[in-house]
Amino acid sequence: DIQMTQSPSTLSASVGDRVTITCRASQSISSWLAWYQQKPGKAPKLLIYKASSLESGVPSRFSGSGSGTEFTLTISSLQPDDFATYYCQQYNAFWTFGQGTKVEIK
Amino acid sequence: EVQLVESGGGLVQPGGSLRLSCAASGFTFSNYEMNWVRQAPGKGLEWLSYINSNGRTTYYADSVKGRFTISRDNAKNSLYLLMNSLRAEDTAVYYCARVGTPHQYMDVWGKGTTVTVSS
Repeated sequence: DIQMTQSPSTLSASVGDRVTITCRASQSISSWLAWYQQKPGKAPKLLIYKASSLESGVPSRFSGSGSGTEFTLTISSLQPDDFATYYCQQYNAFWTFGQGTKVEIK
Repeated sequence: EVQLVESGGGLVQPGGSLRLSCAASGFTFSNYEMNWVRQAPGKGLEWLSYINSNGRTTYYADSVKGRFTISRDNAKNSLYLLMNSLRAEDTAVYYCARVGTPHQYMDVWGKGTTVTVSS
């Protein structure tokens, strides 16, 4: 099974900050990686697929990069609506999620 | 509007059974593969089961293999998850999610239905 590890688990930041979340796969997954945003009591929302492709309707301040085993999600200028939990997910072999990164207000 | 709506959750005793449903609308359901994903209280997301577009191919996570059965009725635009031998650790919010094309990320999610396994 492919394991996904995110860091950090929690991130404290202010509006306007540049935020980076890292996701590591236990083996190469090429670019078969997605990022999701989840707010309390809500379903996950797709942000990024194929490591760096922005889902339609997602603000351009979100970007993804990486391939193989190392991936990052970057929010270029954190907005009030961005405080949430973010999950990476591999879909190279079945599906596995990272444990999540909670972005909270500093 | 593309939409998935889960139903069928509730309180069930350990060892009991429950069938979840997911009603799809706003897209051609029969063209898409589907997944079930769950989230235990305060925990992360866990993929549970996959079904292809015609229902003939299914996969399961080890945690539910042999206890849960995924199925679909394309004529009714519906996805199902039959859950048997339920355990306390199956307590979670259960989501259905559409598998994107051509790549297999999950592009549309329902709002979820809550299953509580307790005596």
